[in-house]
Amino acid sequence: EPEVTQTPSHQVTQMGQEVILRCVPISNHLYFYWYRQILGQKVEFLVSFYNNEISEKSEIFDDQFSVERPDGSNFTLKIRSTKLEDSAMYFCASIQEASGYNEQFFGPGTRLTVL
Amino acid sequence: KQEVTQIPAALSVPEGENLVLNCSFTDSAIYNLQWFRQDPGKGLTSLLLIQSSQREQTSGRLNASLDKSSGRSTLYIAASQPGDSATYLCAVRPGNFNKFYFGSGTKLNVKP
Repeated sequence: EPEVTQTPSHQVTQMGQEVILRCVPISNHLYFYWYRQILGQKVEFLVSFYNNEISEKSEIFDDQFSVERPDGSNFTLKIRSTKLEDSAMYFCASIQEASGYNEQFFGPGTRLTVL
Repeated sequence: KQEVTQIPAALSVPEGENLVLNCSFTDSAIYNLQWFRQDPGKGLTSLLLIQSSQREQTSGRLNASLDKSSGRSTLYIAASQPGDSATYLCAVRPGNFNKFYFGSGTKLNVKP
């Protein structure tokens, strides 16, 4: 069964360093998302991406964040200069198309720890 | 901004019991609503999707209902099992927006 994959499963970094989180969405899906979940808190929407551009972004998604689809399979989230408060689980998700019939499928997440 | 609330925050039941989890949202102009299961430290597994035009969806022992006008959805789990123990999340997609809002979840513990 097709699934969304994410690498790495756990990333430890020093404050101020850049990190890139990687996702491979399901191959025939067209809409891609990043979410984060700080320990004990809600899953929060960060950004949605369609047709090689951002379609929606939240207040959290500031200039420190960027997304890219560098090839036909990978979807990346870059944090330029990490802060302690960026420590969270980061989930990638994808949807086949935008109709209401389509479920979001989530990856297993990347746990980011900023020291 | 859409606010999604889930009640109760935690629930503990004996095995075999039927139970209902609740999700409420403040803006009824939604596109769809999706229920997920999350195991500790893991990703989200989709359980059911209800489109805005539907009133319920069923999958096995799970039944989800949607009352858009009152801003509520329920997830009914029949004959609960210890393997059902997890956190259950609902997520709402507002109309015309390509984003989703999540509730805080209900942490379910089914005791053998």
